[in-house]
Amino acid sequence: NAGVMQNPRHLVRRRGQEARLRCSPMKGHSHVYWYRQLPEEGLKFMVYLQKENIIDESGMPKERFSAEFPKEGPSILRIQQVVRGDSAAYFCASSPEGLSYNEQFFGPGTRLTVL
Amino acid sequence: DAKTTQPPSMDCAEGRAANLPCNHSTISGNEYVYWYRQIHSQGPQYIIHGLKNNETNEMASLIITEDRKSSTLILPHATLRDTAVYYCIVRAMDSSYKLIFGSGTRLLVRP
Repeated sequence: NAGVMQNPRHLVRRRGQEARLRCSPMKGHSHVYWYRQLPEEGLKFMVYLQKENIIDESGMPKERFSAEFPKEGPSILRIQQVVRGDSAAYFCASSPEGLSYNEQFFGPGTRLTVL
Repeated sequence: DAKTTQPPSMDCAEGRAANLPCNHSTISGNEYVYWYRQIHSQGPQYIIHGLKNNETNEMASLIITEDRKSSTLILPHATLRDTAVYYCIVRAMDSSYKLIFGSGTRLLVRP
């Protein structure tokens, strides 16, 4: 059973470009979470999605950031018009149906560098 | 979710037990204690969780005090690959899906 997959693992963008980060949850998992880790800091929750629904996006910056988890395909975290402060590691986690305290399984992360 | 306090860093010798403390004095009755770790440049890895009884799995043991205001994660025979940042997280049983990561404890296992 493959774990959570994220791609790309490393992404370099120039200021003003768009960044698209992909996350494929573990097989059978329908809950996806995105976290961001700025350099030398802990992970911060961004958004929680179930298939075709955003459940909680309270950790998402108000502008330029969006997330989706379509019926088919991976979850996408999209950052428009990137700025240097967006440089960070972005981690996706997934959990199965059921009680919300199920452990979350994390992917290897995407490291975004904005030049 | 209750706040946790951990020492910023610790070290131990390879092969010895590593005991990582965590204070969570404001923990509520329905909140679990979770431990995750993050090895350099990797995603966090679930270790163990518990409510009030001590727990053990193949990775570690979790000792929770009777008043539940603190806990200790024990790695019984630390190896160099256990060098990582360890996060203690308190999380409500049925209402909180967010994992709130603090600064954690940076554990260095010495050869």
